[in-house]
Amino acid sequence: GENVEQHPSTLSVQEGDSAVIKCTYSDSASNYFPWYKQELGKRPQLIIDIRSNVGEKKDQRIAVTLNKTAKHFSLHITETQPEDSAVYFCAASKNQAGTALIFGKGTTLSVSS
Amino acid sequence: KAGVTQTPRYLIKTRGQQVTLSCSPISGHRSVSWYQQTPGQGLQFLFEYFSETQRNKGNFPGRFSGRQFSNSRSEMNVSTLELGDSALYLCASSLAVGGGEQFFGPGTRLTVL
Repeated sequence: GENVEQHPSTLSVQEGDSAVIKCTYSDSASNYFPWYKQELGKRPQLIIDIRSNVGEKKDQRIAVTLNKTAKHFSLHITETQPEDSAVYFCAASKNQAGTALIFGKGTTLSVSS
Repeated sequence: KAGVTQTPRYLIKTRGQQVTLSCSPISGHRSVSWYQQTPGQGLQFLFEYFSETQRNKGNFPGRFSGRQFSNSRSEMNVSTLELGDSALYLCASSLAVGGGEQFFGPGTRLTVL
């Protein structure tokens, strides 16, 4: 079955720096790749997603890139702020509905001011 | 619109017992997925229900089962509880037509003693 690996497991940056989190997936049939942010004690929330027919997507300070050939995708956060501190999960799905998500193990991002 | 709700929020059970968790999706959402979240394994997909039918299933033993009702509400049942079943159980709903965001509920924290 699908396997998603995520690196690094922890990431500490200074406010204003950029943060990059990388994920690789194993199943070439996967076609939907969302990123979720989970703050302590709260539910995961979608921050950005990308489909396999797109190479890059950007939303303000957040961007995601996808390399289908290499089967990896990355989350880029620019101008980090303390409120970006959270656990970030990448995921992959191989159905059109974008459900049945297989998640990476998560990255704990700490932004210090 | 009201968000995804889950009941109960907290449960304490003993080994060998069974438990039923409930999830009410966002109005109009027909897909409900269940995930188990633990510190060691992260977020793991259990199963997805769409229009009262199980559409996708993860790699969990048969002790884990679910169902969906005609109003899209879903229940998850775990029989013969084991200590390792202690986890946060999250459900997520989506329109699941043409793809789209999964919205997570607050979760049910299950502790097995």
